[in-house]
Amino acid sequence: AQSVTQPDIHITVSEGASLELRCNYSYGATPYLFWYVQSPGQGLQLLLKYFSGDTLVQGIKGFEAEFKRSQSSFNLRKPSVHWSDAAEYFCAVGESDTGRRALTFGSGTRLQVQP
Amino acid sequence: NAGVMQNPRHLVRRRGQEARLRCSPMKGHSHVYWYRQLPEEGLKFMVYLQKENIIDESGMPKERFSAEFPKEGPSILRIQQVVRGDSAAYFCASSSTGGENIQYFGAGTRLSVL
Repeated sequence: AQSVTQPDIHITVSEGASLELRCNYSYGATPYLFWYVQSPGQGLQLLLKYFSGDTLVQGIKGFEAEFKRSQSSFNLRKPSVHWSDAAEYFCAVGESDTGRRALTFGSGTRLQVQP
Repeated sequence: NAGVMQNPRHLVRRRGQEARLRCSPMKGHSHVYWYRQLPEEGLKFMVYLQKENIIDESGMPKERFSAEFPKEGPSILRIQQVVRGDSAAYFCASSSTGGENIQYFGAGTRLSVL
């Protein structure tokens, strides 16, 4: 079964600084990969996704992520963080070779932005 | 263009009561998924349904939990005889029939069991 690890439970960055949130997965084939963001008391909003092709994917709100097969990673990046980016971020994996549609989520990284 | 609609947003039940959570998928979507989020944890898959069919219920607890997605109307997640451990946020997602499994989430129902 696949699994997702987000090693950083909590990250604090200053507004305007760059950001990288780590995501590692375990899966036999190349998975479908997603990043979602959850603001307090809200649902999850899709930031970006990777299915195939170019390993650097662009998302909404200035986020990007890079799929690295050799490292089984799909890290999320943003060059300059805004205060409104404070939220919880979830990496998720979907199965690409079985037809099963359930997503497996990491435990999340809570981002705090200092002024 | 409404997104995934869940209601109620907050639900309070006493131990032993029943909880019914409703989810209307995005327009044009025929796949519905339910996930549970316990405090300080990520989302855990519960069940995947299409109209009138349960496709994958591998994440559903064996007892007290059931789900349906009737031909007409919203999907319902039903929890019978709730216990304190059922307190969580329950999220519904929907996707289209296409090959890409892109799931869009509702705002969730936060269930509190007293």
